[in-house]
Amino acid sequence: AQSVSQHNHHVILSEAASLELGCNYSYGGTVNLFWYVQYPGQHLQLLLKYFSGDPLVKGIKGFEAEFIKSKFSFNLRKPSVQWSDTAEYFCAVRPNYGGATNKLIFGTGTLLAVQP
Amino acid sequence: DAMVIQNPRYQVTQFGKPVTLSCSQTLNHNVMYWYQQKSSQAPKLLFHYYDKDFNNEADTPDNFQSRRPNTSFCFLDIRSPGLGDAAMYLCATSRDAQGDGYTFGSGTRLTVV
Repeated sequence: AQSVSQHNHHVILSEAASLELGCNYSYGGTVNLFWYVQYPGQHLQLLLKYFSGDPLVKGIKGFEAEFIKSKFSFNLRKPSVQWSDTAEYFCAVRPNYGGATNKLIFGTGTLLAVQP
Repeated sequence: DAMVIQNPRYQVTQFGKPVTLSCSQTLNHNVMYWYQQKSSQAPKLLFHYYDKDFNNEADTPDNFQSRRPNTSFCFLDIRSPGLGDAAMYLCATSRDAQGDGYTFGSGTRLTVV
């Protein structure tokens, strides 16, 4: 079965520190990749997505992610975090079966706390 | 603003008492999804509608049902909630099966007492 692994469950950083959150998936075919963020008390919001092309994807709020096909990874990065980045981050994969409704499969999430 | 709205935000129900959660959208998206998210776990897809076509996930318990009376509304019915059904329930939409990422509602947190 397809799965998505986020290895860091809780991350605590100081402001201005660099961030990298890991995401690995298990699926051998074509995939679309997403990172979502959930701020406290709010709904899931799309940070960035990868469908094809340049494997380095830039999203909102200074986030970026790199798709490495050989490693089945899609790690999220930010050079300098802010207190307002405190949130839960979810990696999601959509295997592309072609024709059928393609469903999002989520990782378990990483809770990021940024200390001022 | 076009959005996905879930009501109520918090729902408390008694063990075994049927409960309905609602989701509405102003995006005119074809597909509506229901996810269950338990504490410290990944959101798990329960089922989805593509227009009027209902698609159940293989491991979704029979206790969970859904209705989509029109494009804008979708309901999640839990016929006999158990303590293990306490979770956040997320509604999401997408324009079509192949489209871009989803739009999520704020979720309904269900407590079973």
